[in-house]
Amino acid sequence: AQRVTQPEKLLSVFKGAPVELKCNYSYSGSPELFWYVQYSRQRLQLLLRHISRESIKGFTADLNKGETSFHLKKPFAQEEDSAMYYCALGNTYKYIFGTGTRLKVLA
Amino acid sequence: EAQVTQNPRYLITVTGKKLTVTCSQNMNHEYMSWYRQDPGLGLRQIYYSMNVEVTDKGDVPEGYKVSRKEKRNFPLILESPSPNQTSLYFCASIGQMGAFFGQGTRLTVV
Repeated sequence: AQRVTQPEKLLSVFKGAPVELKCNYSYSGSPELFWYVQYSRQRLQLLLRHISRESIKGFTADLNKGETSFHLKKPFAQEEDSAMYYCALGNTYKYIFGTGTRLKVLA
Repeated sequence: EAQVTQNPRYLITVTGKKLTVTCSQNMNHEYMSWYRQDPGLGLRQIYYSMNVEVTDKGDVPEGYKVSRKEKRNFPLILESPSPNQTSLYFCASIGQMGAFFGQGTRLTVV
Protein backbone atom coordinates (compact mmCIF):
# COMPACT_ATOMS: atom_id res chain seq x y z
CA ALA A 1 0.00 0.00 0.00
CA GLN A 2 1.14 3.52 -0.71
CA ARG A 3 1.81 5.47 2.43
CA VAL A 4 3.67 8.49 3.72
CA THR A 5 4.72 8.61 7.34
CA GLN A 6 5.86 11.68 9.21
CA PRO A 7 6.58 10.40 12.70
CA GLU A 8 6.85 13.77 14.44
CA LYS A 9 3.77 15.92 14.96
CA LEU A 10 5.79 18.72 16.47
CA LEU A 11 9.44 19.63 16.25
CA SER A 12 10.84 22.52 18.26
CA VAL A 13 14.34 23.82 17.66
CA PHE A 14 16.23 26.93 18.57
CA LYS A 15 17.11 29.53 15.98
CA GLY A 16 20.41 28.64 14.34
CA ALA A 17 20.14 24.95 15.16
CA PRO A 18 19.98 22.26 12.46
CA VAL A 19 16.60 20.92 11.46
CA GLU A 20 15.60 17.52 10.13
CA LEU A 21 11.99 16.69 9.39
CA LYS A 22 11.52 13.00 8.82
CA CYS A 23 9.53 11.41 6.04
CA ASN A 24 9.28 7.73 5.17
CA TYR A 25 7.27 6.31 2.34
CA SER A 26 5.91 3.05 1.07
CA TYR A 27 5.48 2.74 -2.66
CA SER A 28 5.94 0.03 -5.23
CA GLY A 29 7.66 1.64 -8.16
CA SER A 30 9.63 4.82 -8.67
CA PRO A 31 8.18 7.45 -6.37
CA GLU A 32 7.91 11.13 -7.00
CA LEU A 33 8.31 12.91 -3.69
CA PHE A 34 7.63 16.44 -2.58
CA TRP A 35 7.74 18.65 0.44
CA TYR A 36 5.01 21.24 0.91
CA VAL A 37 4.99 24.04 3.47
CA GLN A 38 1.98 25.77 4.99
CA TYR A 39 2.59 29.00 6.84
CA SER A 40 0.00 30.18 9.33
CA ARG A 41 -3.36 30.80 7.68
CA GLN A 42 -1.95 30.34 4.19
CA ARG A 43 -2.30 27.78 1.45
CA LEU A 44 0.11 24.93 0.95
CA GLN A 45 3.08 25.81 -1.22
CA LEU A 46 5.51 23.54 -2.95
CA LEU A 47 8.87 23.65 -1.22
CA LEU A 48 10.87 20.91 -2.89
CA ARG A 49 10.62 18.20 -5.52
CA HIS A 50 13.06 15.35 -5.32
CA ILE A 51 13.51 15.37 -9.08
CA SER A 52 14.77 18.95 -9.19
CA ARG A 53 17.30 18.47 -6.39
CA GLU A 54 17.10 22.18 -5.66
CA SER A 55 17.75 23.98 -2.41
CA ILE A 56 14.87 26.27 -1.53
CA LYS A 57 15.08 28.68 1.41
CA GLY A 58 18.10 26.71 2.57
CA PHE A 59 16.17 23.42 2.73
CA THR A 60 17.33 20.27 0.99
CA ALA A 61 15.96 16.75 0.81
CA ASP A 62 17.56 13.63 -0.53
CA LEU A 63 15.66 10.61 -1.66
CA ASN A 64 17.07 7.47 -0.08
CA LYS A 65 15.49 4.53 -1.83
CA GLY A 66 17.22 1.99 0.38
CA GLU A 67 15.70 3.48 3.52
CA THR A 68 12.58 4.70 1.68
CA SER A 69 13.08 8.11 3.19
CA PHE A 70 12.92 11.71 2.02
CA HIS A 71 13.95 13.73 5.04
CA LEU A 72 13.93 17.53 4.89
CA LYS A 73 17.01 19.27 6.26
CA LYS A 74 18.26 22.75 6.94
CA PRO A 75 21.58 23.48 8.62
CA PHE A 76 20.50 26.64 10.46
CA ALA A 77 16.85 27.20 11.35
CA GLN A 78 15.31 30.66 11.13
CA GLU A 79 12.25 31.92 12.97
CA GLU A 80 10.44 32.41 9.66
CA ASP A 81 10.75 28.67 9.02
CA SER A 82 8.07 28.06 11.63
CA ALA A 83 5.26 26.38 9.71
CA MET A 84 3.53 23.11 8.99
CA TYR A 85 5.45 20.82 6.66
CA TYR A 86 3.91 18.03 4.64
CA CYS A 87 5.72 15.29 2.81
CA ALA A 88 3.84 13.99 -0.22
CA LEU A 89 4.15 11.09 -2.59
CA GLY A 90 2.59 11.76 -5.92
CA ASN A 91 1.89 10.72 -9.39
CA THR A 92 0.00 12.84 -11.84
CA TYR A 93 -3.38 12.79 -10.20
CA LYS A 94 -3.06 11.13 -6.86
CA TYR A 95 -1.05 12.68 -4.12
CA ILE A 96 -0.69 11.00 -0.75
CA PHE A 97 0.20 13.33 2.07
CA GLY A 98 1.71 12.60 5.42
CA THR A 99 0.02 13.90 8.54
CA GLY A 100 2.42 16.81 8.71
CA THR A 101 5.04 18.08 11.15
CA ARG A 102 4.70 21.43 12.82
CA LEU A 103 8.09 23.10 13.06
CA LYS A 104 8.55 25.73 15.73
CA VAL A 105 11.75 27.72 15.68
CA LEU A 106 12.38 29.34 19.03
CA ALA A 107 14.23 32.61 19.43
CA GLU B 1 0.28 34.47 -12.68
CA ALA B 2 -0.54 30.84 -11.96
CA GLN B 3 -3.54 30.72 -9.69
CA VAL B 4 -6.01 28.39 -8.05
CA THR B 5 -8.98 30.31 -6.70
CA GLN B 6 -11.45 28.92 -4.21
CA ASN B 7 -14.62 30.53 -2.96
CA PRO B 8 -15.83 31.17 -0.40
CA ARG B 9 -12.96 31.41 2.08
CA TYR B 10 -15.25 30.94 5.06
CA LEU B 11 -18.68 29.38 5.26
CA ILE B 12 -20.99 28.59 8.15
CA THR B 13 -24.07 26.59 7.26
CA VAL B 14 -26.71 24.42 8.84
CA THR B 15 -27.07 20.68 8.60
CA GLY B 16 -28.76 19.58 5.40
CA LYS B 17 -28.49 22.82 3.44
CA LYS B 18 -26.84 22.15 0.11
CA LEU B 19 -23.70 24.10 -0.67
CA THR B 20 -21.06 24.39 -3.37
CA VAL B 21 -17.44 25.39 -3.01
CA THR B 22 -15.99 26.64 -6.27
CA CYS B 23 -12.47 26.09 -7.56
CA SER B 24 -10.92 27.57 -10.66
CA GLN B 25 -7.43 27.30 -12.15
CA ASN B 26 -5.73 29.21 -14.95
CA MET B 27 -2.87 26.83 -15.71
CA ASN B 28 -4.70 24.63 -18.20
CA HIS B 29 -4.02 21.60 -15.98
CA GLU B 30 -5.92 18.46 -16.73
CA TYR B 31 -5.72 17.15 -13.19
CA MET B 32 -7.52 18.67 -10.25
CA SER B 33 -8.27 17.39 -6.79
CA TRP B 34 -10.10 18.20 -3.57
CA TYR B 35 -8.69 17.60 -0.08
CA ARG B 36 -9.88 18.10 3.42
CA GLN B 37 -7.44 18.98 6.17
CA ASP B 38 -8.17 17.93 9.72
CA PRO B 39 -5.90 18.19 12.78
CA GLY B 40 -3.78 15.09 13.20
CA LEU B 41 -5.02 13.57 9.95
CA GLY B 42 -3.16 15.69 7.41
CA LEU B 43 -4.71 16.08 3.98
CA ARG B 44 -7.07 13.46 2.71
CA GLN B 45 -8.20 13.29 -0.88
CA ILE B 46 -11.94 13.56 -1.45
CA TYR B 47 -12.27 13.41 -5.23
CA TYR B 48 -10.04 13.96 -8.19
CA SER B 49 -10.47 14.60 -11.87
CA MET B 50 -8.16 13.60 -14.68
CA ASN B 51 -9.91 15.67 -17.32
CA VAL B 52 -13.22 17.15 -18.34
CA GLU B 53 -16.06 14.78 -17.46
CA VAL B 54 -13.62 12.34 -15.84
CA THR B 55 -13.82 12.18 -12.05
CA ASP B 56 -13.11 9.53 -9.45
CA LYS B 57 -13.31 8.97 -5.73
CA GLY B 58 -10.40 9.62 -3.44
CA ASP B 59 -10.02 8.28 0.07
CA VAL B 60 -12.94 10.05 1.77
CA PRO B 61 -15.66 10.66 -0.85
CA GLU B 62 -18.75 10.00 1.28
CA GLY B 63 -21.08 12.97 1.44
CA TYR B 64 -19.44 14.82 -1.43
CA LYS B 65 -19.97 15.24 -5.15
CA VAL B 66 -17.93 16.93 -7.83
CA SER B 67 -18.31 17.88 -11.45
CA ARG B 68 -15.87 18.80 -14.21
CA LYS B 69 -17.74 20.37 -17.07
CA GLU B 70 -14.87 22.65 -18.04
CA LYS B 71 -11.15 22.17 -17.62
CA ARG B 72 -10.67 25.24 -15.44
CA ASN B 73 -13.46 24.58 -12.90
CA PHE B 74 -13.87 21.79 -10.38
CA PRO B 75 -16.62 22.57 -7.84
CA LEU B 76 -17.16 20.54 -4.68
CA ILE B 77 -20.78 19.93 -3.78
CA LEU B 78 -22.18 18.94 -0.41
CA GLU B 79 -25.77 17.89 -1.05
CA SER B 80 -26.68 17.50 2.62
CA PRO B 81 -23.87 18.73 4.85
CA SER B 82 -23.39 17.23 8.28
CA PRO B 83 -21.32 18.42 11.25
CA ASN B 84 -18.60 15.83 10.56
CA GLN B 85 -17.89 17.69 7.33
CA THR B 86 -16.70 20.69 9.30
CA SER B 87 -13.17 21.04 8.03
CA LEU B 88 -10.69 23.05 6.01
CA TYR B 89 -10.96 22.25 2.31
CA PHE B 90 -8.31 22.72 -0.34
CA CYS B 91 -8.58 22.47 -4.07
CA ALA B 92 -5.43 21.58 -6.00
CA SER B 93 -4.49 21.83 -9.64
CA ILE B 94 -1.76 19.41 -10.56
CA GLY B 95 0.80 19.71 -13.32
CA GLN B 96 4.32 18.62 -14.10
CA MET B 97 5.77 20.94 -11.49
CA GLY B 98 3.59 19.59 -8.70
CA ALA B 99 0.33 20.56 -7.04
CA PHE B 100 -0.84 24.16 -6.77
CA PHE B 101 -3.32 24.77 -4.00
CA GLY B 102 -6.17 27.17 -3.52
CA GLN B 103 -6.30 29.37 -0.44
CA GLY B 104 -8.65 27.05 1.37
CA THR B 105 -12.28 27.12 2.48
CA ARG B 106 -13.06 26.81 6.14
CA LEU B 107 -16.46 25.18 6.43
CA THR B 108 -18.45 24.93 9.63
CA VAL B 109 -21.65 22.87 9.66
CA VAL B 110 -23.86 23.45 12.69
